[in-house]
Amino acid sequence: EVQLVESGGDLVQPGGSLRLSCAGSGLTLRTYDMHWVRQATGKGLEWVSSIGAGGLTFYSDSVKGRFSISRENAKNSVYLQMNGLTAGDTAVYYCARAPGGRPNWYFDLWGRGTLVTVS
Amino acid sequence: SYELTQPPSVSVSPGQTATITCSGDKLGDKYVSWYQHKPGQSPLLLIYQDYNRPSGIPERFSGSSSGNTATLTISGVQSMDEADYYCQSWAIVVFGGGTKLTVL
Repeated sequence: EVQLVESGGDLVQPGGSLRLSCAGSGLTLRTYDMHWVRQATGKGLEWVSSIGAGGLTFYSDSVKGRFSISRENAKNSVYLQMNGLTAGDTAVYYCARAPGGRPNWYFDLWGRGTLVTVS
Repeated sequence: SYELTQPPSVSVSPGQTATITCSGDKLGDKYVSWYQHKPGQSPLLLIYQDYNRPSGIPERFSGSSSGNTATLTISGVQSMDEADYYCQSWAIVVFGGGTKLTVL
């Protein structure tokens, strides 16, 4: 079965750090642009960060300077390093795959999400 | 920053047609995607590049876009369609605020 599996979510104190992982199962991630999208309880989907197949990175204004996205092709994984966490970062974080290139990104495969709680 | 505006809620009776709009400046110049999101589940891609349906998505889900507005149409709404629906476009990535579809 083709799937994305997120891990690393946890309860962390304000100002703390966390690293989320997204592993591909049944598919190779290195040829795709990969993304992180989050949803706070009772709120809508919010784009967080993206990394192109070639390594180009993008960040939303709300996380720029605090979060860092990376990929490790040998481990078929994408990561999100989150520093300086605040209560506003509390959310379920989803990993998503975009089959098309910029600027035509859309997300055809999503993980089940991992919960980050900052408190 | 670029914004996409959706109605917070839409209500329809079973078998009727639901229309969910997504508005943004010159949105017709960009591709729009639509997602269905049910509680406790991952978002599901319904429409990409304005009107294309991924395999496995029923034909009753359709999309269109013109001018400043994109539209998701759900024909013959079923109770299982009750969910939150999000539009998404490029700016770099932006989602609409979501629309809660209630099937009466």
